[in-house]
Amino acid sequence: AQSVTQPDIHITVSEGASLELRCNYSYGATPYLFWYVQSPGQGLQLLLKYFSGDTLVQGIKGFEAEFKRSQSSFNLRKPSVHWSDAAEYFCAVGARGSQGNLIFGKGTKLSVKP
Amino acid sequence: DAGITQSPRYKITETGRQVTLMCHQTWSHSYMFWYRQDLGHGLRLIYYSAAADITDKGEVPDGYVVSRSKTENFPLTLESATRSQTSVYFCASSESSSPNSPLHFGNGTRLTVT
Repeated sequence: AQSVTQPDIHITVSEGASLELRCNYSYGATPYLFWYVQSPGQGLQLLLKYFSGDTLVQGIKGFEAEFKRSQSSFNLRKPSVHWSDAAEYFCAVGARGSQGNLIFGKGTKLSVKP
Repeated sequence: DAGITQSPRYKITETGRQVTLMCHQTWSHSYMFWYRQDLGHGLRLIYYSAAADITDKGEVPDGYVVSRSKTENFPLTLESATRSQTSVYFCASSESSSPNSPLHFGNGTRLTVT
């Protein structure tokens, strides 16, 4: 069965520092992988996605993620965090041939120190 | 503006009452989804719909009923609300069945069952 693990419930970084949010998935084949961001009181917004090809994918707001098959990971990175990046981040996995039904991780809340 | 809207934003109801959460999208997307978001669980799929008059269960369907008489609307009904259904509910839509098609989320309905 598919599953997604985000090991860090809450991360605090200083503004301007680099960021890496971890995501590990369990799936028998190459999955579809997503990162979503949720600002307080809002719905989720797609940051980036991976389906195939180049394992380093670029997203909106300066985020990128790298797919590592050997580690079953899809970690999200940003070189320099801005205060507006404070939000909750969700990794999700979708199965090929599914009905668009994603499995979400439990989320990582990001706080940014001035 | 085009998009996906949920109503109400906040709802308080009593145990045993019936309550309906509304979801409306203006993109004519075929697929619509209902998720619930709970602390420590991330997002879990309740029901989804591939088209008008076609619905199917997700991970946590018990206690919920959905209908889809029109493509743009996908209401979620709690027939007899329980405290365990206190949650934030998100509606989402996508253009196609492929996970390649991103989910577009509403801003959520916060439901409290007393």
